[in-house]
Amino acid sequence: DAGITQSPRYKITETGRQVTLMCHQTWSHSYMFWYRQDLGHGLRLIYYSAAADITDKGEVPDGYVVSRSKTENFPLTLESATRSQTSVYFCASRATGTSGYNEQFFGPGTRLTVL
Amino acid sequence: DAKTTQPPSMDCAEGRAANLPCNHSTISGNEYVYWYRQIHSQGPQYIIHGLKNNETNEMASLIITEDRKSSTLILPHATLRDTAVYYCIVRVWGSSGDKLTFGTGTRLAVRP
Repeated sequence: DAGITQSPRYKITETGRQVTLMCHQTWSHSYMFWYRQDLGHGLRLIYYSAAADITDKGEVPDGYVVSRSKTENFPLTLESATRSQTSVYFCASRATGTSGYNEQFFGPGTRLTVL
Repeated sequence: DAKTTQPPSMDCAEGRAANLPCNHSTISGNEYVYWYRQIHSQGPQYIIHGLKNNETNEMASLIITEDRKSSTLILPHATLRDTAVYYCIVRVWGSSGDKLTFGTGTRLAVRP
């Protein structure tokens, strides 16, 4: 399917476990982003990537690891999950271009609960 | 990035215009105003953006005051499907990967 997808959509895990959230886009967009959204708050940027093998920290990167070996995939790993990482995680992508504003397209989100 | 201020909630009747205000009094000359919205449990969706001129697309209109210290997003004929949280974001276009800083937005409820 075309677009941006996230998996799993729902995940329950325990404190201390490693968890990987997947994000896949079919547009070959250069930029990809990971946000988290906590109840009653706006989205906060965790990490972003300008291209394959190029990543950079966002506003709240602690406790997360990302990689981008292929343009279309941008997995987010919680190396040792904590309860404070219970949240809804959104992946987004956008094209690179100079002809106009390139909007960010968001995935459907992954709801993660850490017990 | 300039800070934005939006009312936490608004409502309007279906079929009427919804006017969502945003204050950004510290906006600088090269910062754009972007609007996104988030329908319940979904990822945010881009609506419109502008620098200083009023803008219109198939979804909405954006009115930016002459001093650029505030703007209004207008949904001309609101429907129930427009019920969502609307985010006003001010950002320099193209800088640092176009990272967006979302505040808490305005929760718009469209009444039947």
